[in-house]
Formats: sequence, C-alpha cells, structure tokens
Amino acid sequence: GNSVTQMEGPVTLSEEAFLTINCTYTATGYPSLFWYVQYPGEGLQLLLKATKADDKGSNKGFEATYRKETTSFHLEKGSVQVSDSAVYFCALHSGGYQKVTFGTGTKLQVIP
Amino acid sequence: NAGVMQNPRHLVRRRGQEARLRCSPMKGHSHVYWYRQLPEEGLKFMVYLQKENIIDESGMPKERFSAEFPKEGPSILRIQQVVRGDSAAYFCASSPPTDTDTQYFGPGTRLTVL
Repeated sequence: GNSVTQMEGPVTLSEEAFLTINCTYTATGYPSLFWYVQYPGEGLQLLLKATKADDKGSNKGFEATYRKETTSFHLEKGSVQVSDSAVYFCALHSGGYQKVTFGTGTKLQVIP
Repeated sequence: NAGVMQNPRHLVRRRGQEARLRCSPMKGHSHVYWYRQLPEEGLKFMVYLQKENIIDESGMPKERFSAEFPKEGPSILRIQQVVRGDSAAYFCASSPPTDTDTQYFGPGTRLTVL
C-alpha cells in the first residue's frame, strides 16, 4: 500500500533560517505529491503540489521537487518567518477519486 | 466560490450521545472524503462518497460510525454512542471533476467527548 514518511518534529528555527523538511514515499504507479500546512486551530491548506517526476511545486517561498529516483519530496524555504510556524504534512495521491495518504506531520516553530 | 464548509466547528458530547458532523463541498464538487485527525497525529482516511453512494469506506470503524451524502444537502458523518476515544478533529474534503488529484479541505469539526 501507499505510505508517506516525514521527519519528526518539532523543528525549531530562528527567523530567516533555511528550512528543510524531509519526506519520502512508497507508492505504486505515479502518484501526485503534496504539501499541506495546518496553522494552529485551523484546517489544512494546500501549500504546493507536483504531479510528475522532476516537477517543482512552489508557493509562498516554499518549494519541493518530485524526485522519483529517491522517492522523495522534501520541502524547503530559504528564509523562514515567524508566521510560517505551523504543522506541515506531506501527502500523496494515486490519481483519480482516491484517498490521500498523509505523513504524520512536522511541527515547525520559528522564533524571532 | 465558497470553500468546503463544515459545521459545527466545535462539538461537545457526553459519552453515549450521538454526534452529527456536516460537510458541504465546494460548488460543483460531487465527491466528498472524510478524514480523522487524532491529537498529535496525521490525518487518516475514513470514507469516500459520491452523491447517494459510498465508494470506499475502508477507513471507517465497523461499529457506531456511518456516513451519507444524499442527493440534496450536505454530507453527514454520524457517530453513535460516542466514547472518549472518538475525540478528534474530523475533516471533510472535496474534489472538482476537472482535477481529481487535488482535494480541498474544510476547516474541520473538533469533537470533544466528555
């Protein structure tokens, strides 16, 4: 079956530091890959996605590249802000009307 | 175009009561998914519905939980005789017909069982 593994948190960074949150996956076929963000007390928001190998998803300064050879989709941001403090979920979708498989989430805390 | 709507946002029930959670998908979306997020955990798939049909309920507990998506009105996730372990955030998502890969999530209903 499908699975997503992401680095455990919490991750604590100072403002303007570089962020990497690792994510690897196991899936049959050619899944689409996603990063969702959940701010405290809120639902999930789609942050970015990539639908095929070597695609790069980007949004709000975050980016992730779909690496089929390493089955990875690591999230990066060059300079984090306090407002980026949230829980980040890596996820995959096998296509069509199917369920999304989520990682366990990584809590990011950015301190001034 | 309003996003996925869920209500109530917060629901408190005592053990043994029933909980009803509602989800209205985005306009034009006829596919609804329910997920559960236990404290400090990721989201787990529960059920996938189309109008008047349950397509995949492989993530639903065998007892006390049921879901429907009638021809008219919102999708309902129903939990009978709630127990403390049912306390969680329940999220609904919907997909557009033109982009089946992407699911749009509602704000969730946070159920607390006393």
